[in-house]
Amino acid sequence: AQRVTQPEKLLSVFKGAPVELKCNYSYSGSPELFWYVQYSRQRLQLLLRHISRESIKGFTADLNKGETSFHLKKPFAQEEDSAMYYCALIVYNTDKLIFGTGTRLQVFP
Amino acid sequence: DTGVSQNPRHKITKRGQNVTFRCDPISEHNRLYWYRQTLGQGPEFLTYFQNEAQLEKSRLLSDRFSAERPKGSFSTLEIQRTEQGDSAMYLCASSPGRGSEKLFFGSGTQLSVL
Repeated sequence: AQRVTQPEKLLSVFKGAPVELKCNYSYSGSPELFWYVQYSRQRLQLLLRHISRESIKGFTADLNKGETSFHLKKPFAQEEDSAMYYCALIVYNTDKLIFGTGTRLQVFP
Repeated sequence: DTGVSQNPRHKITKRGQNVTFRCDPISEHNRLYWYRQTLGQGPEFLTYFQNEAQLEKSRLLSDRFSAERPKGSFSTLEIQRTEQGDSAMYLCASSPGRGSEKLFFGSGTQLSVL
């Protein structure tokens, strides 16, 4: 079964601290994974996807097929990073995204 | 605002009533998706359209739910004989084509069934 697991509901850090939001997945085949973000009072939006291998707003995520993980990392958290983060995978040939339950990141000053 | 538009933003209804939500996608986006989100959960896929054709429906979508996209533009999601368990945020998203990773979400319609 396809599944995305985000074990932490809430992650609280101080400004300047490193951040790692965990994501594990279950998928038979070659997965495509994404991180979506929802800032307060804003719409859900794409943050990054593993295919692009890009860094957005200082965030990176590496797909680890051996550990079936796609953790989101940032070396120095900023207050404006406070938001809800969702990990998601796309089901091959169906175009639908399966989301995890989300992790709320709180960055304190 | 040229983003995905959803109406109404909030809907309060009594159990057993029918409700209809509307989604206007970004112009020329040919794919349109409906998701449902309950408290503490991520968005759950309900259905999606390629132009006017409904290509997939989730098992979550009971026969009380129906979605349409006439003419391949806006879409409506109707829930008949609402139940308290239908209370949720209903999200619409659109994408320009193949590859739903470029989903653009609306603000959602918050449904409360009393």
